[in-house]
Amino acid sequence: QQQVKQSPQSLIVQKGGISIINCAYENTAFDYFPWYQQFPGKGPALLIAIRPDVSEKKEGRFTISFNKSAKQFSLHIMDSQPGDSATYFCAASLMNSGYSTLTFGKGTMLLVSP
Amino acid sequence: EAQVTQNPRYLITVTGKKLTVTCSQNMNHEYMSWYRQDPGLGLRQIYYSMNVEVTDKGDVPEGYKVSRKEKRNFPLILESPSPNQTSLYFCASRTTGGNEQYFGPGTRLTVT
Repeated sequence: QQQVKQSPQSLIVQKGGISIINCAYENTAFDYFPWYQQFPGKGPALLIAIRPDVSEKKEGRFTISFNKSAKQFSLHIMDSQPGDSATYFCAASLMNSGYSTLTFGKGTMLLVSP
Repeated sequence: EAQVTQNPRYLITVTGKKLTVTCSQNMNHEYMSWYRQDPGLGLRQIYYSMNVEVTDKGDVPEGYKVSRKEKRNFPLILESPSPNQTSLYFCASRTTGGNEQYFGPGTRLTVT
């Protein structure tokens, strides 16, 4: 049973455009929703994260939108740049348990064309 | 520099030949885990450890073993590797209850 569903699997966006990646989760107890960014040949690294008590979080060109009632959250990359080309993973976990594990989506390969 | 290191980075081996992938972190993190990454399947957790001598199975533990004798080290052991264990492996660590998980650079394993 896949607890975090991510779409699309791949995405091509022109430079300057908006990249949007969507995730849906099933477990309503999840209370922490991070996005990880992975460049080729590297390990994933935390990009931005949100708690369910807010509907949006913005850091620079990256924004998470969170819809608790729909159990969905999305990553928006504004003014996408070729340097943003990477694989993006959404994830969810139960942080209040103290030792929770992250459940990852299957990833989205983003290519930003020059 | 705070980091998670893995060795080796690349490994080609044959079916049945025992191997160990080492993982070490210098951040004094209690929690460590191993993931495998496969195309179309994303990151799947193999094993995790909440602290020294405390380990537990993740989503895909079959064919793997781990140990946590020291806080900084969390080796992944494949006692009899098979071709279906060909994958990209990542070690990760974080503090207990911490938000950010730090990943190592990955180990690309090929089993022929």
